[in-house]
Amino acid sequence: DTGVSQDPRHKITKRGQNVTFRCDPISEHNRLYWYRQTLGQGPEFLTYFQNEAQLEKSRLLSDRFSAERPKGSFSTLEIQRTEQGDSAMYLCASSSGTPSLNTEAFFGQGTRLTVV
Amino acid sequence: LAKTTQPISMDSYEGQEVNITCSHNNIATNDYITWYQQFPSQGPRFIIQGYKTKVTNEVASLFIPADRKSSTLSLPRVSLSDTAVYYCLVGDIMDTGRRALTFGSGTRLQVQP
Repeated sequence: DTGVSQDPRHKITKRGQNVTFRCDPISEHNRLYWYRQTLGQGPEFLTYFQNEAQLEKSRLLSDRFSAERPKGSFSTLEIQRTEQGDSAMYLCASSSGTPSLNTEAFFGQGTRLTVV
Repeated sequence: LAKTTQPISMDSYEGQEVNITCSHNNIATNDYITWYQQFPSQGPRFIIQGYKTKVTNEVASLFIPADRKSSTLSLPRVSLSDTAVYYCLVGDIMDTGRRALTFGSGTRLQVQP
């Protein structure tokens, strides 16, 4: 499977714990995005990378959230001191080509986080 | 701030043509209009993209008037498997002045037998 891969698919954690999600984009895709989606809502933009550079962060990305993309390949999204409001589906997407919004983005299956 | 507005939901029957219209009054000059489809518990999937006039691919057509302030996704002869949420996207300006793709609430299409 050469699509966007996310791991784990599901994560249940206790409030206050730290969690880390991984995203493996399509090989050679230079753009990588993170979105968060709650039930019944559209995906909310969190952040995106152009290669290894994090170019944009949403206001939704509080200090408890951090994302990295070392070497411009896979990316990790860490949430520290999780809260129940962090329960959501976390989606990763990647795209190729010139730095443009007008390139098809390929999404992974997402990681569903449940904070209890 | 670019923003899209779509109907919250639509109902149709198998075999019918479905048209979903999206308004994007503040679309930027260089922005394309992109539509995604999402099934429950899956990531969104690209359907079609266009800049102006009409674009057609194997699954849908996209109609964009000259002023580009709206667009219409047309799904010919829908089947039960087309039941999904459909999102219309244009670029959105972030605090840094850069643009990013942001999703609205989408249109829930329910296809009945």
